[in-house]
Amino acid sequence: KQEVTQIPAALSVPEGENLVLNCSFTDSAIYNLQWFRQDPGKGLTSLLLIQSSQREQTSGRLNASLDKSSGRSTLYIAASQPGDSATYLCAVSVVSGGGADGLTFGKGTHLIIQP
Amino acid sequence: DAGITQSPRHKVTETGTPVTLRCHQTENHRYMYWYRQDPGHGLRLIHYSYGVKDTDKGEVSDGYSVSRSKTEDFLLTLESATSSQTSVYFCAISAQAYGYTFGSGTRLTVV
Repeated sequence: KQEVTQIPAALSVPEGENLVLNCSFTDSAIYNLQWFRQDPGKGLTSLLLIQSSQREQTSGRLNASLDKSSGRSTLYIAASQPGDSATYLCAVSVVSGGGADGLTFGKGTHLIIQP
Repeated sequence: DAGITQSPRHKVTETGTPVTLRCHQTENHRYMYWYRQDPGHGLRLIHYSYGVKDTDKGEVSDGYSVSRSKTEDFLLTLESATSSQTSVYFCAISAQAYGYTFGSGTRLTVV
């Protein structure tokens, strides 16, 4: 059974710092890896999608990398801002002969950026 | 997200009553999913669909059923609601090149 772990569970840093969120998964036979952001009481917003043949994706101040062989992904946030405060979720979709059968999520990193 | 909507957004129901949550998409995606989100457990897959009338169970399917009679609609039914089904329910759609897109969620309280 695929398991996804996110470290740290919570992080509080002053504004302007660069930071790294970590995600590890137990089964390297993944289809995609996706990073989401969730604000309190809200839905999930997709940040970055890395397909299994890719090693990284970038969007603005965000960069995500994927190392399937080691079962790890990192989300790098540059020049953090108070508006980046949210819970960040990592999720993997497993290889399936019949098609996509869902995402397995980590429990998230709760990020607070202090003004 | 404009391509996927859930209804209702909030619902309070009594133990033992049936409840149906609706997910509607305008993206014509083949795959649709229902998840629940609970503190300490994160997001867990309840059921998913890979086409009209084609569905399968996820990790926490007991007490839930689903139906998909049209590509755009995926219904989740709690046949006899229990307090343990108090949760936030999310619908999602997926396409290979675009990953997963989630709805805004339904907050269900069973009293």
